[in-house]
Amino acid sequence: LAKTTQPISMDSYEGQEVNITCSHNNIATNDYITWYQQFPSQGPRFIIQGYKTKVTNEVASLFIPADRKSSTLSLPRVSLSDTAVYYCLVGSSGGYQKVTFGTGTKLQVIP
Amino acid sequence: DAGVIQSPRHEVTEMGQEVTLRCKPISGHDYLFWYRQTMMRGLELLIYFNNNVPIDDSGMPEDRFSAKMPNASFSTLKIQPSEPRDSAVYFCASSFQVTNTEAFFGQGTRLTVV
Repeated sequence: LAKTTQPISMDSYEGQEVNITCSHNNIATNDYITWYQQFPSQGPRFIIQGYKTKVTNEVASLFIPADRKSSTLSLPRVSLSDTAVYYCLVGSSGGYQKVTFGTGTKLQVIP
Repeated sequence: DAGVIQSPRHEVTEMGQEVTLRCKPISGHDYLFWYRQTMMRGLELLIYFNNNVPIDDSGMPEDRFSAKMPNASFSTLKIQPSEPRDSAVYFCASSFQVTNTEAFFGQGTRLTVV
């Protein structure tokens, strides 16, 4: 699996847009990029997944440049409830797959 | 579907005792994963199954740990004998075989070994 690197922590004020970037220089051709969110005392929860360009859902947007060596999770107008740890994962679809988490980015939203 | 169900939610046991954690994956999911989370080591993959067959157990820390999946709707993670350093939150997750790597996690079991 491709190794990922992301900031350990970030702070943001309520109402701001937050962008968390993840580096995955050795991403393989058939790898997807997936982001998870984890609140304290809960299991991780899937946020968004993409392969290239831009993906948007009701929660977030995912920007992936043409070389796919990095990706950026964008959270619009964060609130206090967005305080959580965000994990970036890279892995291929189909076949024998496993989900392996890195250290994640701890986002603290400040009032 | 009620999602991935783990039991118990909390377990406190004495060192040397056997501990069994249980998991019911989402119906229809072909993959089941066991993770351990601690402050020091983060979220570690212990073992995963595909169609009830263990595929990769390289993350299982020691022979004291064992996992089984007797059928598609049930899996156990057993620690025998338990030690204080096994204290952690253990998560079970399941996913579909095809298309993506999205996994659905249970609420976890917080294990404390005293």
